[in-house]
Amino acid sequence: KAGVTQTPRYLIKTRGQQVTLSCSPISGHRSVSWYQQTPGQGLQFLFEYFSETQRNKGNFPGRFSGRQFSNSRSEMNVSTLELGDSALYLCASSLGQGNTYEQYFGPGTRLTVT
Amino acid sequence: QQQVKQSPQSLIVQKGGISIINCAYENTAFDYFPWYQQFPGKGPALLIAIRPDVSEKKEGRFTISFNKSAKQFSLHIMDSQPGDSATYFCAASNGGSNYQLIWGAGTKLIIKP
Repeated sequence: KAGVTQTPRYLIKTRGQQVTLSCSPISGHRSVSWYQQTPGQGLQFLFEYFSETQRNKGNFPGRFSGRQFSNSRSEMNVSTLELGDSALYLCASSLGQGNTYEQYFGPGTRLTVT
Repeated sequence: QQQVKQSPQSLIVQKGGISIINCAYENTAFDYFPWYQQFPGKGPALLIAIRPDVSEKKEGRFTISFNKSAKQFSLHIMDSQPGDSATYFCAASNGGSNYQLIWGAGTKLIIKP
C-alpha cells in the first residue's frame, strides 16, 4: 500500500497570506488528523476528520480550518498567516473505527512565513 | 486528566547501552499506548504499541513496559545504536469512540558512538 502523501513538501509564504495544504491518506483509511510541530515542540493537535466530518478539534484559532473529501483526502487551510505559523505540518491517517488506533504519518509540509 | 507526561526531555546514551524513556498518564480510560520514532525532517513512525491487558511487549531491541496500577509505561531500547538517535514520542488513546491520540512532549535521544 502507498503511504500517506502530503503536498507540497515545502512552502514559503508572506505574513497575511493564506495557504492550503493537502494530505492523501492510506487507501482504506477514513480518518485524517492534522498536527503542527515547531522546533523543540511536540505534536500540537489541530483537528481530525472522519468520513468528511470534523470529529475532534484542538486549541487553535479559527484561522486554521480543514475539510475532508469523499475520497478521504483532506486539506488544511491557514488564513492571515502569522510568523508564528512557521512549522512542520503533519497529517496522519488511520482507520478511525473499530479497535485500532494506529496513526500513520506523512512526511509533512514545511511552511515558512516571512 | 487528558495529559501524558514524558521524561526525560533529552537523553544521551553510550552505544551498546540501554535507553529508557518514561511516560505517565492520569486517564484510566486510556486503552492503547504507542511509541513513535521521528528522525529530523521526517514524520513520526509507529515503533511499538501496547494494550493494558499485558505488562510487557518486545519487538527486537525495543520493549514497552506497562504498569497499570502506577499509570506509567516506558520504552526500553536495548543495545542502543547511533542509528537510534531520534526523537521519541509516547501517546495514549482517548478510548471509546473518540480515536484521538494524546501525545507526550517527546524525548530527544542521542546515542554516542
